[in-house]
Amino acid sequence: GAVVSQHPSWVICKSGTSVKIECRSLDFQATTMFWYRQFPKQSLMLMATSNEGSKATYEQGVEKDKFLINHASLTLSTLTVTSAHPEDSSFYICSARPLGEAWVHYGYTFGSGTRLTVV
Amino acid sequence: SQQGEEDPQALSIQEGENATMNCSYKTSINNLQWYRQNSGRGLVHLILIRSNEREKHSGRLRVTLDTSKKSSSLLITASRAADTASYFCATAAGPGTASKLTFGTGTRLQVTL
Repeated sequence: GAVVSQHPSWVICKSGTSVKIECRSLDFQATTMFWYRQFPKQSLMLMATSNEGSKATYEQGVEKDKFLINHASLTLSTLTVTSAHPEDSSFYICSARPLGEAWVHYGYTFGSGTRLTVV
Repeated sequence: SQQGEEDPQALSIQEGENATMNCSYKTSINNLQWYRQNSGRGLVHLILIRSNEREKHSGRLRVTLDTSKKSSSLLITASRAADTASYFCATAAGPGTASKLTFGTGTRLQVTL
């Protein structure tokens, strides 16, 4: 089945620094990837839709200058949390859906998530 | 918020019992999916049901969909301790690859021996 690799799995950074999270589709091409944020014991909230070769589409209330998304190739999307602050500490997850009909059986494919802690 | 609601928020059962989780959503959908998440991990797809389907089975899982009530249920039969996880429903408004998923609030299932 389709695999999405997300890296790093966890990161601790100092307040004011920037952190980049990578999401790679390993065995399929993803023209669209999705970035979610999840707080402890809560659901996933969509932050933005990453589109290959074009600007990302951000959900209402998500600061695009704070959360920079780059989707430079059909297999890689990156999320950069700029000037991170403690309130940005969260679990970030990416997702993609392969082309074709396999998704009907396998659904969307999710990365394993990145635990970001800003100190 | 367009996020769906799930109930119960938490469910504790003994191994061998059945677990039922319910999901309600707000807008028209193309399909509804159920995912499982172990603590601190990514999501694993369980089952997908299309808007023109009413019931679907996969192993010990049974999903129903009532589009008139905008609701779905997930039944896990003969539960096992390994089923302990959070379960989320997610809806997609369209069939395309750019169709984003909107997640429900989730149900935390605890299966004890």
